Amino acid sequence: QVQLQESGPGLVKPSETLSLTCTVSGGSVRSKGYYWNWIRQPPGEGLEWIGYIYYSGSINYNPSLKSRVTILIDTSKSQFSLKLSSVTAADTAVYYCARVTEGLQYRPYGMDVWGQGTTVTVSS
Amino acid sequence: DIQMTQSPSSLSASVGDRVTITCRASQSISSYVNWYHQSPGKAPKLLIYAASTLQSGVSSRFSGSGSGTDFTLTISGLQPDDFATYYCQQNYNSPWTFGQGTKVEVK
Repeated sequence: QVQLQESGPGLVKPSETLSLTCTVSGGSVRSKGYYWNWIRQPPGEGLEWIGYIYYSGSINYNPSLKSRVTILIDTSKSQFSLKLSSVTAADTAVYYCARVTEGLQYRPYGMDVWGQGTTVTVSS
Repeated sequence: DIQMTQSPSSLSASVGDRVTITCRASQSISSYVNWYHQSPGKAPKLLIYAASTLQSGVSSRFSGSGSGTDFTLTISGLQPDDFATYYCQQNYNSPWTFGQGTKVEVK
């Protein structure tokens, strides 16, 4: 059974870069047919999709964050990572990693496996 | 971006009630809609994908329907663990977007 676990600093200073890692256990980030996603949720608010990296390595970012986001895969450690540069207080949120399974005719299904989430606060 | 608008934003119900939540997309998205349940302090949990397919392990009390722009999540026989926030989400076009959420509270 695949499990995801986020890790990284809980406090980041304004203008610096937020870096988080999602470790995949019970499976491989190179297994065919999966999208590996980052999603965030500001305190008391809804969910915002940040982007994904496909098992093949192709990426797709939310245009609202595209200029600041990088998602990478590390197959040797079965991890994928998120970097968000030039952070401000508006980037304070719980950050989740999640898996999307590719279904019939290559369509993405829902986010079926989630990490527990990690809280990141942007403050000096 | 495709906007996903849920209604109502909140509702009050009792254990055993039947509850319906709707989600409207700003453009046609075929059946590319998923539904999630989120309890406070927890990660979302997938209930329904592709508008009407029940995720493995999820109670059959949950059902989804719709196509195009209008979608519905129905909970039959509300249970204590069902009092939570529900989100719809589209993955028809990038960026993938979520509805604002519907909070189901105890009456």
